[in-house]
Amino acid sequence: NAGVTQTPKFRVLKTGQSMTLLCAQDMNHEYMYWYRQDPGMGLRLIHYSVGEGTTAKGEVPDGYNVSRLKKQNFLLGLESAAPSQTSVYFCASRLAGGRSEQYFGPGTRLTVT
Amino acid sequence: DQQVKQNSPSLSVQEGRISILNCDYTNSMFDYFLWYKKYPAEGPTFLISISSIKDKNEDGRFTVFLNKSAKHLSLHIVPSQPGDSAVYFCAASALQYGNKLVFGAGTILRVKS
Repeated sequence: NAGVTQTPKFRVLKTGQSMTLLCAQDMNHEYMYWYRQDPGMGLRLIHYSVGEGTTAKGEVPDGYNVSRLKKQNFLLGLESAAPSQTSVYFCASRLAGGRSEQYFGPGTRLTVT
Repeated sequence: DQQVKQNSPSLSVQEGRISILNCDYTNSMFDYFLWYKKYPAEGPTFLISISSIKDKNEDGRFTVFLNKSAKHLSLHIVPSQPGDSAVYFCAASALQYGNKLVFGAGTILRVKS
């Protein structure tokens, strides 16, 4: 049981390049989330999904797209990277219903030059 | 406008003593609060939570206190251990907002041996 995994762990992009971050969970969780963590700002929600085939915007969705084609995977895409997207990205998942806690992946450190 | 605030960026405590981490919130709709712990290069892990119908929740060395009238919660760690050195995030959620978590900026706790 690996929990929540994220690929890649590190990445350096040039401005304007695109990339996809992959999140996978093996806990059969319905809900999945993408956050970014920046110094002094905690974790901010980018997009989330409440089930396979569904996505919704969070607090800071601009410049990102997501897809949830399979229940266990949640992809975060950057179509044209900008230096402002330099951050650490965390994926999380949880069971539907109630107030269950979120389980986080180890993070992806992205630098955009 | 930050809805969840952790006004102390860092805290240093001697091993064996009590650590008190504070968190304030502004949105009265929040009805569930969580504390997460984060080590460097890892994702946050759930520590303890409290519902707004309670004013205290205890789990081993960790106790969370909630003062709804003051919109304030605190995490007490007794006794503090060097392994508790980490970043602690306070988070809040509301049923009306789909239980999405709103995080504070975090407090770095250093426990000196």
